[in-house]
Amino acid sequence: AQSVTQPDIHITVSEGASLELRCNYSYGATPYLFWYVQSPGQGLQLLLKYFSGDTLVQGIKGFEAEFKRSQSSFNLRKPSVHWSDAAEYFCAVAKRSGGYNKLIFGAGTRLAVHP
Amino acid sequence: DTAVSQTPKYLVTQMGNDKSIKCEQNLGHDTMYWYKQDSKKFLKIMFSYNNKELIINETVPNRFSPKSPDKAHLNLHINSLELGDSAVYFCASSHSGGGYTEAFFGQGTRLTVV
Repeated sequence: AQSVTQPDIHITVSEGASLELRCNYSYGATPYLFWYVQSPGQGLQLLLKYFSGDTLVQGIKGFEAEFKRSQSSFNLRKPSVHWSDAAEYFCAVAKRSGGYNKLIFGAGTRLAVHP
Repeated sequence: DTAVSQTPKYLVTQMGNDKSIKCEQNLGHDTMYWYKQDSKKFLKIMFSYNNKELIINETVPNRFSPKSPDKAHLNLHINSLELGDSAVYFCASSHSGGGYTEAFFGQGTRLTVV
């Protein structure tokens, strides 16, 4: 069955430090992969997506992610974290179901940023 | 302009009541969804409609009834509310014709059943 695993429930980094959030997926075909961010009390905002092509994708707010088929991973990175990046981050894969797609989400990683 | 808008943002109600959440998208998408986020932040799809037709119906109690009057609107009606229905409900939309595009989410409706 298709699934998404985010191994880190909670990560704390210092402002200005680099960040990597891990995501592993289980999917038979070429996956459509996404990272969403949820700020406190807010909805989900798409950070970036991978459909095909270049395995390093750039997103909004200075984030990037790299698709590695051999490792079934789609890790999110940012070279320098800002205090405003504190939020919940969700990795997701689009699963084909009856001719249509639905998102399967990981459990999320909560990012805290120390000043 | 808000792309996917839900109303209300907060909903507090007593057990046994019936309530509705409304969702509208102005992105011209043909597919809309309802997702539920539980107290542990886990997100799971409930329903999906494509051009007003139900296409995905996960294992959801039949107290939950989605309705899509047109492809820009997807409402969620919940009968006989239970404590366990307390959650954040997210509406989303995407374009499915000719290939999948990313889903855009609303701000969520925090439902509290007391």
